Amino acid sequence: GAVVSQHPSRVICKSGTSVKIECRSLDFQATTMFWYRQFPKQSLMLMATSNEGSKATYEQGVEKDKFLINHASLTLSTLTVTSAHPEDSSFYICSARDLRTGDNSPLHFGNGTRLTVT
Amino acid sequence: GQNIDQPTEMTATEGAIVQINCTYQTSGFNGLFWYQQHAGEAPTFLSYNVLDGLEEKGRFSSFLSRSKGYSYLLLKELQMKDSASYLCAYMDSNYQLIWGAGTKLIIKP
Repeated sequence: GAVVSQHPSRVICKSGTSVKIECRSLDFQATTMFWYRQFPKQSLMLMATSNEGSKATYEQGVEKDKFLINHASLTLSTLTVTSAHPEDSSFYICSARDLRTGDNSPLHFGNGTRLTVT
Repeated sequence: GQNIDQPTEMTATEGAIVQINCTYQTSGFNGLFWYQQHAGEAPTFLSYNVLDGLEEKGRFSSFLSRSKGYSYLLLKELQMKDSASYLCAYMDSNYQLIWGAGTKLIIKP
């Protein structure tokens, strides 16, 4: 089945620094990838939709200048959390669909990145 | 609008059966998904229903009634490893997933 790889799995950084998270589709091409954030005991919240070759689409309330998304190729999307603050500490998960199985194919998730900002 | 609801938490006994319900309201619908999420991990795909009826996959089954805006996930022969959160999500007319808040399932010996 479709596999999505996300790296790193855990990162601890100091307040004010930037962190880059990579998301790769390993056995399929993904023109679109989705970035989610999940705070403890809460549901998944879609942050943005990453589009290969064009600008990402951000959900309301998500700062595009703080969460930089680059979809450089059909298999790679990156999320950079710039000038991180403790309130950005969360579980970030990327996902993608293998559209060879149709528009309603399931989302496949990366393993997530646990970000802790000190 | 986006409106999807599922219970926050359920408790069941090892070896028993549990049904997790999910209700939704939407004007555009392209199917309903169930995912399992263990604590600290990413969700994994369990099932997809787009037509009315029951889909069985091993110990897990999922049911959909489009006219009632209702789905359930049925877990049989519960095992301790089934302790997790179960997320339902419907796909809207734009093929975007709208997520429920998840049901935390606690399995007791």
